[in-house]
Amino acid sequence: AQSVAQPEDQVNVAEGNPLTVKCTYSVSGNPYLFWYVQYPNRGLQFLLKYITGDNLVKGSYGFEAEFNKSQTSFHLKKPSALVSDSALYFCAASRSYQLTFGKGTKLSVIP
Amino acid sequence: NAGVTQTPKFRVLKTGQSMTLLCAQDMNHEYMYWYRQDPGMGLRLIHYSVGEGTTAKGEVPDGYNVSRLKKQNFLLGLESAAPSQTSVYFCASSKRRTGGPLGQETQYFGPGTRLLVL
Repeated sequence: AQSVAQPEDQVNVAEGNPLTVKCTYSVSGNPYLFWYVQYPNRGLQFLLKYITGDNLVKGSYGFEAEFNKSQTSFHLKKPSALVSDSALYFCAASRSYQLTFGKGTKLSVIP
Repeated sequence: NAGVTQTPKFRVLKTGQSMTLLCAQDMNHEYMYWYRQDPGMGLRLIHYSVGEGTTAKGEVPDGYNVSRLKKQNFLLGLESAAPSQTSVYFCASSKRRTGGPLGQETQYFGPGTRLLVL
């Protein structure tokens, strides 16, 4: 069975500062990892994914994620946070047809 | 291009009532999925379909049925609603993988249906 953990329920960061949202995974075989963002009362929007190759994955809205196989982590990062980045972020692992999601991390960017 | 749409946006049911949630996609995707989102639990897969006329169970299928009569539509049915089915329901779709292992394709989500069962 695969699992995804997001150890922080909430992350607060000042506008303009770098942000990190943490994710660790437990999967058998090669992991396929995703980050999604959910704005209030909206569906999930795809940010980026890691399938294979370069450990640093670049995605939408200036986000990037670093895949670390030895630490089984896939942390989401952005060099300079915007107030508009405030949302709920989900990490997910894919196996066959099923996405397994973490519980989500609420990101608040403080002006 | 509307992407993935869901009907209705919000519904209140009494225990024992039935209803059908409709998902439609205009991206010609082969695969479609139904998830439920509960506070503090992320999203969990209810049922999925890999093509017209085929469906399969996900992680939490009990109390739900699905049908995929047309490629662009995926219906989720609750035959006898229970308060435990109060949740936000999301539909998603993805392309068919043409080569290599499954699981690499991105899923695209609808805006959700909020269901309250009293």
